[in-house]
Amino acid sequence: DIVMTQTPLSLSVTPGQPASISCKSSQSLLHSDGKTYLYWYLQKPGQSPQLLIYEVSSRFSGVPDRFSGSGSGTDFTLKISRVEAEDVGVYYCMQGIHLPPTFGQGTKVEIK
Amino acid sequence: QVQLVESGGGVVQPGGSLRLSCAASGFTFSSYGMHWVRQAPGKGLEWVAFIRYDGSNKYYADSVKGRFTISRDNSKNTLYLQMNSLRAEDTAVYYCAKGGGPYGSGSLDYWGQGTLVTVSS
Repeated sequence: DIVMTQTPLSLSVTPGQPASISCKSSQSLLHSDGKTYLYWYLQKPGQSPQLLIYEVSSRFSGVPDRFSGSGSGTDFTLKISRVEAEDVGVYYCMQGIHLPPTFGQGTKVEIK
Repeated sequence: QVQLVESGGGVVQPGGSLRLSCAASGFTFSSYGMHWVRQAPGKGLEWVAFIRYDGSNKYYADSVKGRFTISRDNSKNTLYLQMNSLRAEDTAVYYCAKGGGPYGSGSLDYWGQGTLVTVSS
């Protein structure tokens, strides 16, 4: 199985400041179809996970543009340009190139 | 809008069985693969099982293989997870999630609210 490793595991951010989360995969997520199967999810307190970013850098429906994703191959980053109170929760990266889909350990983001 | 509503969770003794259901609406259920993902209390996300759009292929995590069975009824827009020989370590919130396409690769783009399964004597 592909191992996904996130850093840091926790982050405390002042509102309005940027935040960045790294995700590394144990093998390349670039498929022969040209797509890179890396996704980002946010699980807000008491809620189910919601898709934020698909295929490295595309924002899912309704996701604010302060969220952006970048990277290639095995190294990826999620950035929040200006953190808001509603962004608190646990962020997960996930690979979807091969079954089983595997998740990072999660990064807990809290507001200072 | 896409809706996934799980049901069937509860408290069960070790060795017991439970059947989870996931009622889907707001999309063409028969065109998409479906997943079950679980989350133990205070822990991260663990994928459990996947079934292709037409039920032709099923995949399981090693931790549940031989004990859990995923199935679907496309005429009822419903996904199922039959859980047998339950263990304490199966205690978790179980989510159904819609696949991004008919097969196993891609995103899990919509998730249900989850149903809690507690295995305890």
